[in-house]
Amino acid sequence: DAGVIQSPRHEVTEMGQEVTLRCKPISGHDYLFWYRQTMMRGLELLIYFNNNVPIDDSGMPEDRFSAKMPNASFSTLKIQPSEPRDSAVYFCASSFRVNQPQHFGDGTRLSIL
Amino acid sequence: GESVGLHLPTLSVQEGDNSIINCAYSNSASDYFIWYKQESGKGPQFIIDIRSNMDKRQGQRVTVLLNKTVKHLSLQIAATQPGDSAVYFCAGAGGTSYGKLTFGQGTILTVHP
Repeated sequence: DAGVIQSPRHEVTEMGQEVTLRCKPISGHDYLFWYRQTMMRGLELLIYFNNNVPIDDSGMPEDRFSAKMPNASFSTLKIQPSEPRDSAVYFCASSFRVNQPQHFGDGTRLSIL
Repeated sequence: GESVGLHLPTLSVQEGDNSIINCAYSNSASDYFIWYKQESGKGPQFIIDIRSNMDKRQGQRVTVLLNKTVKHLSLQIAATQPGDSAVYFCAGAGGTSYGKLTFGQGTILTVHP
């Protein structure tokens, strides 16, 4: 079975540009999670969806961040405008049910210059 | 809220030894715990999970122990191999953070041949 698929794997862009990260969860998983990982703050949950509906977005750092899940097989995380402090690795994960193992993609390494 | 942390940031062992990685949590309402392994450039990989109605769970070469009295869990790896070298994270969920995993800082495990 294919795991969680994220694209792009690497993104380098200039400050002020819009960035869109993409995720395809594992088929049949009802939950989708977006995380950010930095050396300073570790792994932080940004937002999660259940059946395409956002359930908790309290981890989204600012209004510059937005996430959507238009269907069960696709989600996006958008940053507009981007800032250097947004540089991090962004992970998407999915799980069959809540409080069951979340399966992670290999992340998008984002660098904002 | 949930707080999960690790006692030791690094652990070095010889190939063939058993490894023990420790984790403490602060929220007594936490009822689901999970261990992940993360290799360089990859996303966290599920190892094993445990629920609060258990105090021990075994997998292949791994055992997780949960002590709810002192809010502590550990991951034991038997006959550690060089391929086990990675960063190991514990995470917990439950109570008011139902569905939201909170990750510890991580322990770097290095296995010497």
